Amino acid sequence: DTEVTQTPKHLVMGMTNKKSLKCEQHMGHRAMYWYKQKAKKPPELMFVYSYEKLSINESVPSRFSPECPNSSLLNLHLHALQPEDSALYLCASSPRTLTGWAQLGQPQHFGDGTRLSIL
Amino acid sequence: GNSVTQMEGPVTLSEEAFLTINCTYTATGYPSLFWYVQYPGEGLQLLLKATKADDKGSNKGFEATYRKETTSFHLEKGSVQVSDSAVYFCALRKQAGTALIFGKGTTLSVSS
Repeated sequence: DTEVTQTPKHLVMGMTNKKSLKCEQHMGHRAMYWYKQKAKKPPELMFVYSYEKLSINESVPSRFSPECPNSSLLNLHLHALQPEDSALYLCASSPRTLTGWAQLGQPQHFGDGTRLSIL
Repeated sequence: GNSVTQMEGPVTLSEEAFLTINCTYTATGYPSLFWYVQYPGEGLQLLLKATKADDKGSNKGFEATYRKETTSFHLEKGSVQVSDSAVYFCALRKQAGTALIFGKGTTLSVSS
């Protein structure tokens, strides 16, 4: 069983719709991530939250809007997406400390993803 | 900058064959190294990891040794099974709390 839960598993939406992807973890992790993965490609980082604050935005278009309402939840709000945004969206989490060194070897835990199709 | 290079597939093997998937990295200092596996239709699962030179990570019959001198972290398994068919990603992390840097992935297909 995955410890990072993503909903929904599948989502089909039109280019004018507004929808949200949700991610939840209860491992006490304080770093959470959104990745986008196209078929037969590695995951591409989109956003990183550290202690509920956005720390990295990899120049993602504004039609993707992340939100971290608390330490266990991560949302990705979608609006006016394009067909090329169709992909698997993966959420991940990892421990995070201010000192950092002791947590370097801690892996990121991934959810099973939301498969998004834009019509 | 930091990067990961892994052999491109697909790798096609018969059941019980020996598997090697090569992975080399570029990074300063001592990154942590990981192998993740992605089965069809699923997310990524951690397969094994190593955090310092000469560490050997192992899991489910897979092994990889952190070689600082050759900046490598090759994945090996002595006898593959059909159920090992998946995409394998080598990855590194330079700092805690930062995102992983992935290789391009290697597709493994095992036939009976």
